[in-house]
Parts: sequence; structure tokens; C-alpha cells
Amino acid sequence: SQTIHQWPATLVQPVGSPLSLECTVEGTSNPNLYWYRQAAGRGLQLLFYSVGIGQISSEVPQNLSASRPQDRQFILSSKKLLLSDSGFYLCAWSVSRYSNYGYTFGSGTRLTVV
Amino acid sequence: QKEVEQDPGPLSVPEGAIVSLNCTYSNSAFQYFMWYRQYSRKGPELLMYTYSSGNKEDGRFTAQVDKSSKYISLFIRDSQPSDSATYLCAMRGPTGTASKLTFGTGTRLQVTL
Repeated sequence: SQTIHQWPATLVQPVGSPLSLECTVEGTSNPNLYWYRQAAGRGLQLLFYSVGIGQISSEVPQNLSASRPQDRQFILSSKKLLLSDSGFYLCAWSVSRYSNYGYTFGSGTRLTVV
Repeated sequence: QKEVEQDPGPLSVPEGAIVSLNCTYSNSAFQYFMWYRQYSRKGPELLMYTYSSGNKEDGRFTAQVDKSSKYISLFIRDSQPSDSATYLCAMRGPTGTASKLTFGTGTRLQVTL
């Protein structure tokens, strides 16, 4: 069966520090991968999605970047965090060939920038 | 206007009540409709999945889609305190790599004893 792992679960970082959040998927090949940010009252905001290794699409211009160095690995990064980067970050995957299916989400990372 | 509108709640009901959660949408190309349940500090989990118009039932949950009105609903019968969560609707257009899920903002549900 397919599983998605996301870590860390909680992170407190100072303003100006770098960020690296990692997500890996097991049990499937060539998934579509997504990074979302969820803020209270604002729903899920799609940040990046990837349909293959090295292929990244950015939905919202911001202080973050994403990379996909391996088929089932998706990384969210920042060189210098801002206070506004605080939020709940979710990684998700979907089957790429039959993209009418829904997404499966990881357990999320709660990031607090102080 | 947002593509998907969802009342944020919170919605508070007593245990055993029937709950109705709703979303409206504006994009007539949407064909696949989903409901996700999200417990506090957890990722959303897929609860119900429907294609086009009609009803789908799974235990105490019924998903209903009315494409002519661009309106979808999730009904929960005999609600339990364990149903307390945020419920997000999601939808997408025809199959294709460019067709991504569009989410509602979520409705927070509280089922009280």
C-alpha cells in the first residue's frame, strides 16, 4: 500500500533562518506531488506541484522554493524565513496516470517563525 | 468570486443529529467531487468521492452532487463526537495533468454530548 511521510511534525525557527521540509512517498511510482500551506480561515493554498523529477511548477510567488531530486521525494525550502511563512504545511500525492483520483495528504508540519 | 464557496462555520450540533455540509462552485467544468475530513493538527483524509451528479452513500455518510445548481452536500447521520473535525470539499475538472483539485476553505463541525 502507498504511504506518505512528512517531517518534522513541528518546527520553530527564527526569522532569517533557512528551512527544509521533506516529504517521501512509498508504494507508488511517478506520483504527482504537491506542497500546500494551510492558514486559519484561508483554506489550503497550493504552493508547488511536480509531475516528475526536476519538474516544479510554482503557484504563488513567495519566499519558498521546492525541489524533487528523486521520484518519490519532494522538498520545500527557504533561504531566509519570514514571519509570514508561519503556517501548517502539507505534502500530498496523487496517481499521475489516472488523475481523476483525489490527493493523499501527509500529516503536516506546523511551522512557527519567531 | 472564489471558484468554490464553503461556509466556515463553526457548526455545533448535538450527538445523534443529522448534519448537512455544503459547497457551491462556479466552474461548470468540475466533474469529480470529494469530501475530506481533517482532525485538528492532522492532514486531510479523503472521506467521499463522487463523479458527476447523483448520490453516494457510505455508512453514515452520504455525498450528493447537483451539477445543474453547482451545489454539493455531505450528510452525516447519527453524528458522533468523533465526527468533530473540519470538512473540506474539493473538486476537479476532466482527467488531465493540468486539472488540479480546487478546495473549499472548510467547515468546522463540533458534535457535542
